[in-house]
Amino acid sequence: SQQGEEDPQALSIQEGENATMNCSYKTSINNLQWYRQNSGRGLVHLILIRSNEREKHSGRLRVTLDTSKKSSSLLITASRAADTASYFCATDGAGNMLTFGGGTRLMVKP
Amino acid sequence: DAGVIQSPRHEVTEMGQEVTLRCKPISGHNSLFWYRQTMMRGLELLIYFNNNVPIDDSGMPEDRFSAKMPNASFSTLKIQPSEPRDSAVYFCASSLQAGGPHEQYFGPGTRLTVT
Repeated sequence: SQQGEEDPQALSIQEGENATMNCSYKTSINNLQWYRQNSGRGLVHLILIRSNEREKHSGRLRVTLDTSKKSSSLLITASRAADTASYFCATDGAGNMLTFGGGTRLMVKP
Repeated sequence: DAGVIQSPRHEVTEMGQEVTLRCKPISGHNSLFWYRQTMMRGLELLIYFNNNVPIDDSGMPEDRFSAKMPNASFSTLKIQPSEPRDSAVYFCASSLQAGGPHEQYFGPGTRLTVT
């Protein structure tokens, strides 16, 4: 079963606009990670946020975490066509296990 | 470092045949994960190893699936006999174990088609 569920499942925006993806999870976590997957490729780690952090930035990425609501959001500012990909949240479990959500498919139109 | 290496990249086989997928993790990483990705079920963790020892194989769908890690630089995922519903993209990922949390590094995947 999936721990994290992304919303929306698909998102289409114009280049230059901001894209916001949300992730909800069910059980307590120590950290939450976001990954990106280009079509036909493996997943690539974007950012990790710990449970005691509320917000984290990396370049055009901004991640928030609300542990009281068991939710996280990924904001991509000033989107580019190259940002077109699927984005997954992943929550930690026993050992080094990660449980991935179903992903949000983002399309950025030039 | 070349990253996580998987082979083959594509495999087409007939139902009933044995399939072996291979993975070379990033040097120095001591956790290795096998995932399966399909449109219907998303990304599923099949099994993971720490220091070459299988820790959790609860995601392995059936006894037809088996995985080994004979040393720190090599792992295999075997399906015998294969069935059409095994068609999917299989990913291997590796990470550090100690001093976590750590990100996982994914290989390019093996696209398996069973006819």
